[in-house]
Formats: sequence, structure tokens, C-alpha cells
Amino acid sequence: AQTVTQSQPEMSVQEAETVTLSCTYDTSESDYYLFWYKQPPSRQMILVIRQEAYKQQNATENRFSVNFQKAAKSFSLKISDSQLGDAAMYFCAYRLIQGAQKLVFGQGTRLTINP
Amino acid sequence: DTEVTQTPKHLVMGMTNKKSLKCEQHMGHRAMYWYKQKAKKPPELMFVYSYEKLSINESVPSRFSPECPNSSLLNLHLHALQPEDSALYLCASSHVGLAGAGSGELFFGEGSRLTVL
Repeated sequence: AQTVTQSQPEMSVQEAETVTLSCTYDTSESDYYLFWYKQPPSRQMILVIRQEAYKQQNATENRFSVNFQKAAKSFSLKISDSQLGDAAMYFCAYRLIQGAQKLVFGQGTRLTINP
Repeated sequence: DTEVTQTPKHLVMGMTNKKSLKCEQHMGHRAMYWYKQKAKKPPELMFVYSYEKLSINESVPSRFSPECPNSSLLNLHLHALQPEDSALYLCASSHVGLAGAGSGELFFGEGSRLTVL
């Protein structure tokens, strides 16, 4: 079974600083997606960034980037120039590529931005 | 249109009531999902529909009954619920593609907050 582990229940960062959220996963599959989702208090789950396992290049979306280490099964999220609107629960998630496969979530990291 | 719309946003029901949660998407997705989320916890998968057929049931109690009337709609029928069933219920949709096809992401609705008295 696939599992996703986020070892940091809570993180905080000063506004405009950089923060890195950790995620590791366990799978015996070779074709899969990894995601970071954000869930603000307003509760809608929003995709932050996506990585396909077959791509060696790390994904980047504006201030958000990942460090994908496939052999180590590690998928960390770096947020640069943190903004107050980045405050949320962040979930790392895994999904097989083929078919209608479920999204497996980590336990989440609550990120606080200090002004 | 990249939205998944869920109704109602809030629902309070007694243990003997029958109610339904509704979910709609118009992105042409052929996979739809129900997740249950307790406070400060990750979403837990309940059901997956693929091409309007139930493909995954995560051993959910029969008091929860899913229905997929067509490719755009997903319902969750509720009957004889328990107070511990109070939670946020999230609907999501995605493409069902070949390996490497599509974005792979799930699109989530805002959820229906259910309180069982």
C-alpha cells in the first residue's frame, strides 16, 4: 500500500521569508503523480503544484517549487517570499497515473505566516 | 469552467433523517470521488466512480449510499447517520486517462459541512 508521511505538523515563517515543507512517500510503483494541495480555513482544497514521477526536472509554479528525489522517495515544497495568503494546511499527496485512482494524502502541515 | 459545485454547503440532520449531498462538474471528467474530512485531519476516501460505475468503495457503512446519475453529477444519500459521521464531505473529479495523459490532479469542491444531532 502507498503511504505519504509529513513529519512537520506545524511550521511558521516570517512574511517574505522562505520555508520548506517535507514529505516522504512509500510505493513500489514507478508511474505516479505527486501533489501539494493547500486548504485554507475557507476549506476548499486547491492544487499548489504537481510533479510527474517520470520527469526528472523539479516542478516550479511562481513562488512554489519542489525538490523531488525519486530514489529517496522525497518530495519537499519550498515557498519563497512567503505571503499572508499562504497561511493554510498543506497536504502532500500521491496518485497512480493509470485510471481513476484515489489520491493518498499525508497528515498535513499547518503553515502560519508571521507578519 | 473548472469548478466542482457542492450543495448544500451546510446540513444539520437528525439520526432518523434522510438527506442527500449533491455534486456537479462540467469539466468532462469521468471520475468522481467522495471524501470525508474530520477537523485537522486529511481527507479520507469513501467512494470512486469511473465512467458512472462504482469502482472503489473503501468499506463505507451502508448508511452512506452513493449514486452517479450521469457523468456530471454525483450524489451521496444519507440515512440513519450517527453523530460521529459529522464532518466535511468533499467531492472531487478528475480525468480518467492513459498513463501520462491529463493533468492527474483532482479538482475539489468547497465541501458540505454535515452535523448529525
